[in-house]
Amino acid sequence: TQLLEQSPQFLSIQEGENLTVYCNSSSVFSSLQWYRQEPGEGPVLLVTVVTGGEVKKLKRLTFQFGDARKDSSLHITAAQPGDTGLYLCAGTDSWGKFQFGAGTQVVVTP
Amino acid sequence: GAVVSQHPSWVICKSGTSVKIECRSLDFQATTMFWYRQFPKQSLMLMATSNEGSKATYEQGVEKDKFLINHASLTLSTLTVTSAHPEDSSFYICSARDRQLAGIYNEQFFGPGTRLTVL
Repeated sequence: TQLLEQSPQFLSIQEGENLTVYCNSSSVFSSLQWYRQEPGEGPVLLVTVVTGGEVKKLKRLTFQFGDARKDSSLHITAAQPGDTGLYLCAGTDSWGKFQFGAGTQVVVTP
Repeated sequence: GAVVSQHPSWVICKSGTSVKIECRSLDFQATTMFWYRQFPKQSLMLMATSNEGSKATYEQGVEKDKFLINHASLTLSTLTVTSAHPEDSSFYICSARDRQLAGIYNEQFFGPGTRLTVL
């Protein structure tokens, strides 16, 4: 059972466009991470959010944690080809269970 | 900081042989390490949780006798795929949780993965 639902599953956009990836759950998460994974490599941690309503920025990436700590979003402004990759959200729920979402494959074409 | 290495990065073996994959936390101590399996274009699937000095906890459906895990120190965990078969071919990724940060953010830091191909 996937506790974390990611949407969309696949996103293809042109360079310069914006995109948003969503991560939703019916469970409350004590912390939530976003990772990016490129083919043949392990996931790389982008950010951790822990406080409801928290917003974190990493250059052109903006991460938001929902007020109820059940959902999160990742927004990329002016996407570049280097942003191409599999974006994964992952979190620890109230029972200490760590789970990954199914992932969103992002392709940014020049 | 928080660097995790895996060795080998890729391995090809014959059916029936055993393969050992090492996972090391290079600049931190990890009381807990995790082993994942990933199929093409899919998310990571947790296989087992490895705790230093104790037996690993396996997820449902993962054969503990086939995937042997040893976590002998705070910086090293190994996964041995015994009597490998073509269906075991996959991308295996380990992760480690920093002992000092555990319980605060629950972040996992991932190794670069090992591509196993069984002929």
